[in-house]
Amino acid sequence: QSVLTQPPSLSAAPGQKVTISCSGSSSNIGNNYVSWYQHLPGTAPTLLIYEDYKRPSVIPDRFSGSRSHTSATLDIAGLQPGDEADYYCGIWNGGVWVFGEGTHLTVL
Amino acid sequence: QGQLVESGGGVVQAGKSLKVSCAGSGFIFGHFGMHWFRHAPGKGLEWVAAIDPHSVQTFYADSVRGRFTISRDNSKSAVYLQMDSLGVDDTGIYYCARNWGPVTPSFDRWGHGVMVTVST
Repeated sequence: QSVLTQPPSLSAAPGQKVTISCSGSSSNIGNNYVSWYQHLPGTAPTLLIYEDYKRPSVIPDRFSGSRSHTSATLDIAGLQPGDEADYYCGIWNGGVWVFGEGTHLTVL
Repeated sequence: QGQLVESGGGVVQAGKSLKVSCAGSGFIFGHFGMHWFRHAPGKGLEWVAAIDPHSVQTFYADSVRGRFTISRDNSKSAVYLQMDSLGVDDTGIYYCARNWGPVTPSFDRWGHGVMVTVST
């Protein structure tokens, strides 16, 4: 069980916007930058967001991130069928990397 | 740019050892910290270990500390994970990843993964 809490699953229709939350505490998210990863099991994960809100150049601006106090969010706008995957938040905290429990996103 | 390719996975009996490797190409390997992660069937992604660019510091998850050893050879652009005293809970796909984060770790390049199966 992770110290970073994510909803186990979410679903939304194509074209809609979804928000994935990552909740922690002042000792973890409150003190560290958050990054977000997309993972289709059996394939290499993809970095979506780093340092809370920055986006690698290859990631479309449909993906955005933010952090406030002890929680972070990943927004995905204009959902596409290819967005159906598992999403993880993560932080580096005191010499340990911590992932959230992961959120499975279903695009209906 | 940059590519990572893992190798060395397989089936091993519980209690035995296995060493997996990760070869980097297309970037200056010695400039980046490297991490190992794993994905067990039906579970979430789990961080395993990390090593800094010059092997000064290593870091381990509690679940593997004392059993796994991360190392690297920058002359070969490779990072390794020596896994001893393997248990069935160590079964999964093992990924290496490059720490690219300008300020704090984040992982922009990942290998395709290598399967490790621990049998009883």
